[in-house]
Amino acid sequence: QQQVKQSPQSLIVQKGGIPIINCAYENTAFDYFPWYQQFPGKGPALLIAIRPDVSEKKEGRFTISFNKSAKQFSLHIMDSQPGDSATYFCAASTGGSYIPTFGRGTSLIVHP
Amino acid sequence: NAGVTQTPKFQVLKTGQSMTLQCAQDMNHEYMSWYRQDPGMGLRLIHYSVGAGITDQGEVPNGYNVSRSTTEDFPLRLLSAAPSQTSVYFCASSTGIQAYEQYFGPGTRLTVT
Repeated sequence: QQQVKQSPQSLIVQKGGIPIINCAYENTAFDYFPWYQQFPGKGPALLIAIRPDVSEKKEGRFTISFNKSAKQFSLHIMDSQPGDSATYFCAASTGGSYIPTFGRGTSLIVHP
Repeated sequence: NAGVTQTPKFQVLKTGQSMTLQCAQDMNHEYMSWYRQDPGMGLRLIHYSVGAGITDQGEVPNGYNVSRSTTEDFPLRLLSAAPSQTSVYFCASSTGIQAYEQYFGPGTRLTVT
């Protein structure tokens, strides 16, 4: 049973475009929603994270939007660059369990 | 700080062989975990540990053993390798306070023939 559903599986955009990756969850106990970025041949690394009491969080060109009532959150990458080409994972965790539950990942390619 | 280190980086095994994937961290993190990454399947948790001497199973524990005798080390043992265990394995660590922030190692690519 997939607790965090991520879409799309892959995404191709042109440089300057705004790729959007969506995630949905069922467990209302989740209280922290991190996003991880993984470059080829490397381990994932924390990119940005949000708590459900905030509807939006920005860090540089990366923005998380959070809709608590719909149990959905998404990652937007503004002015995307070829260097943003990577696999992105959304995740969710609860205060009672340190283990984040990961989505299946989105492979993003940004063409020059 | 070296962060999370994993050895070997690549490994080829024959079916039925056993081996140990090494993981070490120098950040004094309490929590450590092992994931496997397969195409289209994301990161699946194999085993995890919340401190020395304490381990528990994750989503896909069958065929793997772990132990945690020190805070720094968390080896993953494959008892009798099978082709289904061909994957990329990642070790991760985190603190208890910010457990959602996992620090991943560079991974071990394992092929079982």
